[in-house]
Amino acid sequence: ILNVEQSPQSLHVQEGDSTNFTCSFPSSNFYALHWYRWETAKSPEALFVMTLNGDEKKKGRISATLNTKEGYSYLYIKGSQPEDSATYLCAYSAAAGNKLTFGGGTRVLVKP
Amino acid sequence: DGGITQSPKYLFRKEGQNVTLSCEQNLNHDAMYWYRQDPGQGLRLIYYSQIVNDFQKGDIAEGYSVSREKKESFPLTVTSAQKNPTAFYLCASRGPRPQPQHFGDGTRLSIL
Repeated sequence: ILNVEQSPQSLHVQEGDSTNFTCSFPSSNFYALHWYRWETAKSPEALFVMTLNGDEKKKGRISATLNTKEGYSYLYIKGSQPEDSATYLCAYSAAAGNKLTFGGGTRVLVKP
Repeated sequence: DGGITQSPKYLFRKEGQNVTLSCEQNLNHDAMYWYRQDPGQGLRLIYYSQIVNDFQKGDIAEGYSVSREKKESFPLTVTSAQKNPTAFYLCASRGPRPQPQHFGDGTRLSIL
């Protein structure tokens, strides 16, 4: 079983503050790195799919970077809002096969 | 609207019973997946299917079975051999790589 780790497991952020958290994954046989946002009582929603080393993606106040050589990705939330409260999941896709291996998630709580 | 429908939302099973969770998609996706989530853990892959009439075991397939007779449907049966079936089950589908996965709303299974 591949090892995909996310840290921290949870974090509390004051409204308006920026934050970031990490996903580490195997650097060999890399194909893609996915980020999903999972709000309570909803289904996980795709944020980004990143495939190239050095890739940076942005969606509103949320952005992500990718380093495939060292096997990590950062997700950044700028100016956090209460609606950003969710669990953020990363998932690694290897070159061979059609499955994703998910990390344990980072649970973000934005306090007003 | 295109999407993934899981039913039922809540399911209760007696000891020794098999139960089947439904997953239907109208996104015309070839690939479909079943995941299990336990409290405090990430998503773990049970089974996946890349095409009709074909499926592969994921990381925790023991005690589960699936079928893929139609492109739209990928039901999961939790058999009596699954010793700890109480969990939240998510179904997903995906178009061609590297597109992200689309998730249903999930089924929560509990043992009576």
